[in-house]
Amino acid sequence: GDSVTQMEGPVTLSEEAFLTINCTYTATGYPSLFWYVQYPGEGLQLLLKATKADDKGSNKGFEATYRKETTSFHLEKGSVQVSDSAVYFCALLNTGFQKLVFGTGTRLLVSP
Amino acid sequence: GAGVSQSPRYKVAKRGQDVALRCDPISGHVSLFWYQQALGQGPEFLTYFQNEAQLDKSGLPSDRFFAERPEGSVSTLKIQRTQQEDSAVYLCASSPRGYNEQFFGPGTRLTVL
Repeated sequence: GDSVTQMEGPVTLSEEAFLTINCTYTATGYPSLFWYVQYPGEGLQLLLKATKADDKGSNKGFEATYRKETTSFHLEKGSVQVSDSAVYFCALLNTGFQKLVFGTGTRLLVSP
Repeated sequence: GAGVSQSPRYKVAKRGQDVALRCDPISGHVSLFWYQQALGQGPEFLTYFQNEAQLDKSGLPSDRFFAERPEGSVSTLKIQRTQQEDSAVYLCASSPRGYNEQFFGPGTRLTVL
């Protein structure tokens, strides 16, 4: 079945450092890919998405490119802030299905 | 506008009790989803409604879990005879027709003692 694998956390960075959180997926067909963020005490929020190969999703300085050849959707940000501290989830939505399949999440901790 | 709301936010139940968790989706959203998130894990799909029709319940872990959306708006997830392994955060999400983004509520944290 479909699955998503994320790098384990926590990822600990200093403010203004470069961020990469790896995400790879296994799926039949041509899924859409998502990054969701969960801030402490809050619900999941969509951060960015990409619906086809080579698409780049971007939002709030975060970017991820849908790489079909490597089945990856790595999340990057050039300069993290303390306010980016949260748990990040990579997810896929396969064609013809309605359910999101999530990775286990990666906790990001940014210190001043 | 108002987002997805869930109640209660926290629920403590004794093993064997029945619980009911409520979800109010965003007004006008056709699709509604329930997910279960165990501690330290990603959410896992439980069930999906389109309007009042339950189109997929493949993720419900046992027949103790039951979900309904009788008027195509508010949904209730019911768990009968709760067990300790049912302890998790239960997330509800909704989505407008033809749109693949799901909007999540804050979740209900269920603790079974």
